[in-house]
Amino acid sequence: KNQVEQSPQSLIILEGKNCTLQCNYTVSPFSNLRWYKQDTGRGPVSLTIMTFSENTKSNGRYTATLDADTKQSSLHITASQLSDSASYICVVSDRGSTLGRLYFGRGTQLTVWP
Amino acid sequence: EADIYQTPRYLVIGTGKKITLECSQTMGHDKMYWYQQDPGMELHLIHYSYGVNSTEKGDLSSESTVSRIRTEHFPLTLESARPSHTSQYLCASFSPSGNTIYFGEGSWLTVV
Repeated sequence: KNQVEQSPQSLIILEGKNCTLQCNYTVSPFSNLRWYKQDTGRGPVSLTIMTFSENTKSNGRYTATLDADTKQSSLHITASQLSDSASYICVVSDRGSTLGRLYFGRGTQLTVWP
Repeated sequence: EADIYQTPRYLVIGTGKKITLECSQTMGHDKMYWYQQDPGMELHLIHYSYGVNSTEKGDLSSESTVSRIRTEHFPLTLESARPSHTSQYLCASFSPSGNTIYFGEGSWLTVV
């Protein structure tokens, strides 16, 4: 069964600190992996997208890594800000169908305290 | 900034009422999707469309229906709302390459 598991479920950090969120998946055949940020009551906003051949990709203070062999990804947030408080969702796409089916993790709820 | 819009953003309706959630995109995308998301849970695909007059049910069983008469619009309808339909509904469209997914802001539906 294709699954996407994220950890931790929730995380509280102080402003200015760094943090790393984890995503493990069993989706096969793998197409790509996306990280999204979802503010409370809003739609998800894309942070990064990584294909099989990409190991790391950065978007400002966000850096995603991908190990396709172990089927693990991480999202590292540097110098956190209060506005980083949100749910971070890992989304994996397969290439086994024309749908390019998406598998969503439950997200990590990040809270940044001043 | 994504050009995909959902209305209403928030709605409280009584049991048994009919409701249509609107989703519109101005990017000319053929692929559009409806997801249901309960708080703290993952998104579940309930409907998708590959283009005009194409609609399919998703992974999660839903009592809602959709239509795709025009490329820009992908409305979702509940004929008789129930409290179990209380949830957030997210509309999305895919770029032709499939690399970019645009999400709407979501519609929060509460059925009392």
